[in-house]
Amino acid sequence: DAKTTQPPSMDCAEGRAANLPCNHSTISGNEYVYWYRQIHSQGPQYIIHGLKNNETNEMASLIITEDRKSSTLILPHATLRDTAVYYCIVRVRTNAGKSTFGDGTTLTVKP
Amino acid sequence: DSGVTQTPKHLITATGQRVTLRCSPRSGDLSVYWYQQSLDQGLQFLIQYYNGEERAKGNILERFSAQQFPDLHSELNLSSLELGDSALYFCASSVDPGTGVKNIQYFGAGTRLSVL
Repeated sequence: DAKTTQPPSMDCAEGRAANLPCNHSTISGNEYVYWYRQIHSQGPQYIIHGLKNNETNEMASLIITEDRKSSTLILPHATLRDTAVYYCIVRVRTNAGKSTFGDGTTLTVKP
Repeated sequence: DSGVTQTPKHLITATGQRVTLRCSPRSGDLSVYWYQQSLDQGLQFLIQYYNGEERAKGNILERFSAQQFPDLHSELNLSSLELGDSALYFCASSVDPGTGVKNIQYFGAGTRLSVL
């Protein structure tokens, strides 16, 4: 799996968009980008994933650069409950499903 | 609620003991994964089972073992416990063996193990 780099921490004001970057410069053509988050020692929660096109669901949007070397997770209107550690994972389809979780980004949403 | 059930929620035991953690996957999911999360090491993949068979192995110690039963629930057995085994243990499940396009893993709430 490609290595990912995320800032260790970020702050965001409540109600504003939170933009969480992830660098994956060694990504291969068959690797997907997945985002999970973990709220205070709860089980990680799936957010979104993509290959090369931008994706949006009810939780967030994922923007992947054209060269696929980086991506940004966007939480459009952050709330206090979005305070969590956010993990960016890059994974091939054939690695039997194990996910390598790095250190992630601790997002703190402030009132 | 992810649909993945882990029991017990908390477990306190002594060094040298053996414990069993249980995981029931989401209905219809055939794959089960085990992860360990220590304070200083983040989430570490331990092992994966798919439809009863071991599929992938990560950093699982020889003192640890797992199995998946015909009803698809899984158990993680930890023996000769050491202080350093104190951690959160998460189970996750997915519908496919890990090679599907989506391959989304759904995590349980975890079992907090304290070895005293």
